Amino acid sequence: NAGVTQTPKFRILKIGQSMTLQCAQDMNHNYMYWYRQDPGMGLKLIYYSVGAGITDKGEVPNGYNVSRSTTEDFPLRLELAAPSQTSVYFCASSDRENTEAFFGQGTRLTVV
Amino acid sequence: GQNIDQPTEMTATEGAIVQINCTYQTSGFNGLFWYQQHAGEAPTFLSYNVLDGLEEKGRFSSFLSRSKGYSYLLLKELQMKDSASYLCAVRDSNYQLIWGAGTKLIIKP
Repeated sequence: NAGVTQTPKFRILKIGQSMTLQCAQDMNHNYMYWYRQDPGMGLKLIYYSVGAGITDKGEVPNGYNVSRSTTEDFPLRLELAAPSQTSVYFCASSDRENTEAFFGQGTRLTVV
Repeated sequence: GQNIDQPTEMTATEGAIVQINCTYQTSGFNGLFWYQQHAGEAPTFLSYNVLDGLEEKGRFSSFLSRSKGYSYLLLKELQMKDSASYLCAVRDSNYQLIWGAGTKLIIKP
């Protein structure tokens, strides 16, 4: 059972470049989330989705974009990367809004 | 604003008991979660409290007092593998999860 799969695990971007972080889950969960985690800080919600075709902004959405065309996939797009986007990114999914979230292994992104 | 407070770091001895506290101020309350995160890994679920009282799950227990905006995670019979960060998260009135910065627990032999 794969759970939540994120790719890539590591990436170095130059300022101004763009990339897509992939996230897929095989648990048929409706809720999916993208978080970033900076050293010494709590997880910050970037975007979330409550089902295919529905996305909404979280706490820190600027500089990011998402789509949810299927239940399984929830890619995160970074346009015009900036050093402030250097962070560890986690994708997560949950069955309902009040149940535990399952996390992917994370993507460590460095923007130079 | 919304705020979750946890100690930054704690140290305990193998075989002992440790209590990690979490206080919160959020707009509404719809449950509190505890997650464990080993260095360089993803958070994994430990416990969920929505009503006042103690929830016990093996060596781990979690307590909630909604009137005090307070929770703790109790770890018994500490093992070296319990060395990790412990994250407290509260679901607010909009069902958004607000996360604390985490408590790094160091276990010494």
